Amino acid sequence: DAEITQSPRHKITETGRQVTLACHQTWNHNNMFWYRQDLGHGLRLIHYSYGVQDTNKGEVSDGYSVSRSNTEDLPLTLESAASSQTSVYFCASSEERSSAKQYFGPGTRLTVT
Amino acid sequence: GDSVTQMEGPVTLSEEAFLTINCTYTATGYPSLFWYVQYPGEGLQLLLKATKADDKGSNKGFEATYRKETTSFHLEKGSVQVSDSAVYFCALGGGNQFYFGTGTSLTVIP
Repeated sequence: DAEITQSPRHKITETGRQVTLACHQTWNHNNMFWYRQDLGHGLRLIHYSYGVQDTNKGEVSDGYSVSRSNTEDLPLTLESAASSQTSVYFCASSEERSSAKQYFGPGTRLTVT
Repeated sequence: GDSVTQMEGPVTLSEEAFLTINCTYTATGYPSLFWYVQYPGEGLQLLLKATKADDKGSNKGFEATYRKETTSFHLEKGSVQVSDSAVYFCALGGGNQFYFGTGTSLTVIP
């Protein structure tokens, strides 16, 4: 069955370190998204991609970057981790753009100490 | 810009009670509207959707009607079960982005 996976599921890192969160989908979807989930804010869009070599900034992109070198993967990099980036991160993919169903990964809980 | 406002929680109901979770939106154009559900420790799953005004989305006994005149998409269920305990998110898809509400936690007690 097609799926979307994230790794690691839990990560603890120190302030200032570079961290990369992996997202891999086997749906062959062109569209992929990264969100962060924080209490009182719901989900907020960090970055999204509509295809290979395409990346776009979302609502809360500062301090994050993504790259899309193939259809299956959209890694999220925190260039210099900050305590404000402690959160749960969700990756999602969809077959069509914003009107379509999104498939979510299980999430990565990141703690920055 | 586009946004979604949903009812604050948490909500606690007895089994078989009627559920309403309010959601209103602000959007330019003609967005699609969604309800997602998140069970503990899991990612979000699509519960139902509506793509145009007056459409009714339904799934697993839940319903929501896209009301353009009141810019609303309230979630309802006639008789909740313990297994419905989860966090519910209203979402809007318009232009190139998705906008989620802050989530409403529902606990159903036997």
